[in-house]
Amino acid sequence: QEQLQESGPGLVKPSETLSLTCTVSGGSINNYYWSWFRQPPGKGLEWIGYISDSGSTNYNPSLKSRVTTSVDTSKNQFSLKLSSVTAADTAVYYCARGLRGYRYGPFDHWGQGTLVTVSS
Amino acid sequence: EIVLTQSPATLSLSPGERATLSCRASQSVSSYLAWYQHKPGQAPRLLIYDASNRATDIPARFSGSGSGTDFTLTISSLEPEDFAVYYCQQRNNWPPTFGQGTRLEIK
Repeated sequence: QEQLQESGPGLVKPSETLSLTCTVSGGSINNYYWSWFRQPPGKGLEWIGYISDSGSTNYNPSLKSRVTTSVDTSKNQFSLKLSSVTAADTAVYYCARGLRGYRYGPFDHWGQGTLVTVSS
Repeated sequence: EIVLTQSPATLSLSPGERATLSCRASQSVSSYLAWYQHKPGQAPRLLIYDASNRATDIPARFSGSGSGTDFTLTISSLEPEDFAVYYCQQRNNWPPTFGQGTRLEIK
C-alpha cells in the first residue's frame, strides 16, 4: 500500500521560505502527478499545485508567484517551497497523488498532513 | 474559479440512519466531481470519483450521484466509523477546487 509522508519545519518566520518534502513509500513516483494542498485553521482545502515525475509543474494562480516545486525520483520524493510567508500561510499542508495519472484529481493517496505555523 | 457549496454544514444522525450530503457547483463540472472523507489527524480518503465511481476498497454503502452542478453523496446505513468531515472536489475547471465540507456528527 503506497504511503505518503510530509516532513519539514513546523515553524517558519514571516518573510522567510516554507520548505516541505513528501516521501513516497510502497510505490514508485514515476508516471503520476503529485500535488500539494493546504488547509488553514477553520477553512477548506486549497490546491497549491502539482509536479510530475518528469518535472512539469502547474500552480494555483493565487500562489503561483511564491511557489516552487521539485522532484527527486531517485529518492521517491518531491518538495514544496513557498516564499515570503505571512501568518495567512499558517495551515496544515498535505501532499497527494493524482489517480491514474490525472493532474487535477481525483487524489487517491494522501499524506497525513503537517502543520506549519508562521510566526516570529 | 468554480465554487463548490456543500450542504448542510453539519449533519447530525445516528448509526444505522441514511445520510445525504449535497454539493452544488457555481457552474457545470460535467461528471468530474469527487468526494473525500477526512478524520482529524488522518489522511483524507477518496470515496467517490467522477460523480458515481467508488474508489478502491470503499464499502458499497457509499454512493454518489449527479452531474452538471448538483451532486449527492449517500451513505445508506451509517457505521460508527463514518462520522467525519466530507469534502467534494471538482477537476473539470482549472484550478481544482474543494467545497467547504459537511461535518457528519453522531446524534
